[in-house]
Amino acid sequence: NAGVTQTPKFRVLKTGQSMTLLCAQDMNHEYMYWYRQDPGMGLRLIHYSVGEGTTAKGEVPDGYNVSRLKKQNFLLGLESAAPSQTSVYFCASSYGFTSLTGQETQYFGPGTRLLVL
Amino acid sequence: DQQVKQNSPSLSVQEGRISILNCDYTNSMFDYFLWYKKYPAEGPTFLISISSIKDKNEDGRFTVFLNKSAKHLSLHIVPSQPGDSAVYFCAAGGSQGNLIFGKGTKLSVKP
Repeated sequence: NAGVTQTPKFRVLKTGQSMTLLCAQDMNHEYMYWYRQDPGMGLRLIHYSVGEGTTAKGEVPDGYNVSRLKKQNFLLGLESAAPSQTSVYFCASSYGFTSLTGQETQYFGPGTRLLVL
Repeated sequence: DQQVKQNSPSLSVQEGRISILNCDYTNSMFDYFLWYKKYPAEGPTFLISISSIKDKNEDGRFTVFLNKSAKHLSLHIVPSQPGDSAVYFCAAGGSQGNLIFGKGTKLSVKP
C-alpha cells in the first residue's frame, strides 16, 4: 500500500495563477483532509470531506476550493494564488471518527511545497 | 484563541535520558488526544493516542499521560535516542471529528 500520496511535491506559482493539488489514498478511508503548515503555526485545517461527494470548510478555507469526486481522491484548488498561500500543504485521511474509543488516527501524505511569487 | 497549546517551541535532551513534551488544551469537549512526529520534508506520522477515559497509554518507549482536571497531557520518551529528534505535534479531537493541532515542539536528542 502506498498510503497517502500527494502530487506535485513542489511548485512555484506567480500571483494570480491557478493550480490543483492532488491527494490520493489507497486505504479505503472515508474521511480526507487538507492542511497547511506555516512556520510557528502548526497544522491548520483548510477543508475536509467525510465521504465521496461531500466537502466542508475547516479553519482557514478562504482562497481554496476542494472536490471529492472519487472516494480515493481529494483535490485542493487555488483559483488565484496569492503570496499568503505560500506554505506546505498536507493531505490526510482516516476511517472516520470514533470519539468513544479515541482511536481516530489521521494518516498524512509527504506534503506539497508551494511558493507563490 | 488556541485550543491546543504546546508552550515549549524546543527541547534539548541528552541521549538515554527522559524527554517530556507537554500539551495543554482549553476545550473540555475534547475526548481523544494524539501525538504526531514529524521529520523535515516529511508528513507527520502517528505516534500514540489516548482516550479521555484513560489516564495513561504506553507503547514501547513512548507513554502519554492525561490529566483531565488540569486539561494537560504529556508525552514521555524513555530512553531518548538521537533518532527521536523531530518536531512533535499534540492534537485533540471530539465529536465533530476534526483534529486541532498544537504548534509543535522541536525535540533535539544529543549523543
